[in-house]
Amino acid sequence: GDSVTQMEGPVTLSEEAFLTINCTYTATGYPSLFWYVQYPGEGLQLLLKATKADDKGSNKGFEATYRKETTSFHLEKGSVQVSDSAVYFCALSARGGSNYKLTFGKGTLLTVNP
Amino acid sequence: DTAVSQTPKYLVTQMGNDKSIKCEQNLGHDTMYWYKQDSKKFLKIMFSYNNKELIINETVPNRFSPKSPDKAHLNLHINSLELGDSAVYFCASSLKDTQYFGPGTRLTVL
Repeated sequence: GDSVTQMEGPVTLSEEAFLTINCTYTATGYPSLFWYVQYPGEGLQLLLKATKADDKGSNKGFEATYRKETTSFHLEKGSVQVSDSAVYFCALSARGGSNYKLTFGKGTLLTVNP
Repeated sequence: DTAVSQTPKYLVTQMGNDKSIKCEQNLGHDTMYWYKQDSKKFLKIMFSYNNKELIINETVPNRFSPKSPDKAHLNLHINSLELGDSAVYFCASSLKDTQYFGPGTRLTVL
């Protein structure tokens, strides 16, 4: 079945450091790929998405590129802020008939210190 | 004007009780979902409804019964609550492949 593997946390960085959170996937067909962010005590927010190979999703300074050859969708940000501290989830959406099902990675806790 | 809303935000109850969580979306989406997030933050889909019809039922005990009175609402009723049901429950809705989540309901079973 479909699966998503993302790097185990926690990840602790200083403000303005470069961030990479690795994500790889296994899926049949051509899934869409997502990064969601969960700030403390809140729900999941869609951060960015990519729907086909070589697409780059970007939002709030975060980027991720859909790499079909390496089945990866790594999240990057050039300069993190304290306010980026959150749990980040990589996910894929695979279509089954008329329905789409999200499969999540286990989440990566990011803490950014001032 | 919240897109996906859930009530209540917190729910504390005794083992054996029956409780319900409500979800509403004003995005006009046809598909709604329930997810369970455990204490390690792992998210797993429980149910999916499309236009009030059950599409996905992921090996969830039959103590959990979703109900969709219309395509903007998907409620979750849980009978005979157990300690292991303690978790955060998220509702979501989608247009095609992109899902939008509610703020979550933290259920604590004592």
